[in-house]
Amino acid sequence: DSGVTQTPKHLITATGQRVTLRCSPRSGDLSVYWYQQSLDQGLQFLIQYYNGEERAKGNILERFSAQQFPDLHSELNLSSLELGDSALYFCASSVGLQPYNSPLHFGNGTRLTVT
Amino acid sequence: AQSVTQLDSQVPVFEEAPVELRCNYSSSVSVYLFWYVQYPNQGLQLLLKYLSGSTLVKGINGFEAEFNKSQTSFHLRKPSVHRSDTAEYFCAIETSGSRLTFGEGTQLTVNP
Repeated sequence: DSGVTQTPKHLITATGQRVTLRCSPRSGDLSVYWYQQSLDQGLQFLIQYYNGEERAKGNILERFSAQQFPDLHSELNLSSLELGDSALYFCASSVGLQPYNSPLHFGNGTRLTVT
Repeated sequence: AQSVTQLDSQVPVFEEAPVELRCNYSSSVSVYLFWYVQYPNQGLQLLLKYLSGSTLVKGINGFEAEFNKSQTSFHLRKPSVHRSDTAEYFCAIETSGSRLTFGEGTQLTVNP
């Protein structure tokens, strides 16, 4: 158990809808990362927050947004969903800012299916 | 741009045989390299990392990797695999902006 909790585990929704994925980091971790894992694109970095502030942005679509709250949990909002958004969305947390000195701990992911 | 390429998408081996999972990287600056493992229906776990110093890095579960700057490689090895090693393995590089960029993954299947 990594200590990172993601909810829900599974989500099935229709095209055009909006969903919110939630992540609770390990106790004491200040960084939260979001990754998307799909068969055609592999693991793609979406965004990183550190102590409530956005720190790095990757291949995140404009239809997607995220935030980290004062209690350090994070939410990833996906809107105007398309079939291609179907994927496994991972949250990871770490104590510090950089992976080389602050290992990432991954949750078990939220599997999103858009029909 | 920094990137990693995993040369094999699938590697089948027999139990107790040695295995090597290959990873090449591309970078014009000093690199930090990682191997992660993903067991079915789970998130990724860190196996080992190379930051600097000794080119042979030992990780968990009997895995080790060798950093080779001239070959720009960071191959993962295990001298004797078990059924429980069946999983997907990802090579990753820390790129600018403190993000991890992952390779495409190698599915290791250990057969009896």
